[in-house]
Amino acid sequence: SQQGEEDPQALSIQEGENATMNCSYKTSINNLQWYRQNSGRGLVHLILIRSNEREKHSGRLRVTLDTSKKSSSLLITASRAADTASYFCATVRYGGSNYKLTFGKGTLLTVNP
Amino acid sequence: GAGVSQSPRYKVAKRGQDVALRCDPISGHVSLFWYQQALGQGPEFLTYFQNEAQLDKSGLPSDRFFAERPEGSVSTLKIQRTQQEDSAVYLCASSLERLANQETQYFGPGTRLLVL
Repeated sequence: SQQGEEDPQALSIQEGENATMNCSYKTSINNLQWYRQNSGRGLVHLILIRSNEREKHSGRLRVTLDTSKKSSSLLITASRAADTASYFCATVRYGGSNYKLTFGKGTLLTVNP
Repeated sequence: GAGVSQSPRYKVAKRGQDVALRCDPISGHVSLFWYQQALGQGPEFLTYFQNEAQLDKSGLPSDRFFAERPEGSVSTLKIQRTQQEDSAVYLCASSLERLANQETQYFGPGTRLLVL
């Protein structure tokens, strides 16, 4: 079963704009990860944020985590056409089974040139 | 360097046929995972290997699904008597260490299975 829900399901923006995607989850987590998937490169790891972290940056990516609300957001700044892809959040549960990723359904991002 | 590879990339099977999907993880990676991704959905966990030991097969949908990693490197996911609901992309991932909770999982390109 899917652990998380991404919001929105689909997002269309113009090149240069920022894109924000949200993820909610249900159980206590060890960490939360964001992945990108497109037909050309498959599923690619973007960033990992641990449960004791609140914000993390990597290049044009900014991830926040609010464990009290069981939610995370991914911000892509200054988007490019090449950012067009599906974005998934995935959680690693706290405690047992702390090896497998539980994915949400994803947000389809389209960046128009 | 070489990433995770999977073969075949595409497979069309007739209902009832057996199929075997292969995964070559990154050399030296201890952990190996199989996920199933239905159209429009996120990947869902199927099974986990630590070296040659299958430590978790809780995600396998039925006893028609079987996975092995006999020498702790290459893995095969076998589906017997395929059904139309088995149509999906099957993703393999590997990570360097035993516990993946702090480790990145590296995914292969997937095998797209279509059962007619």
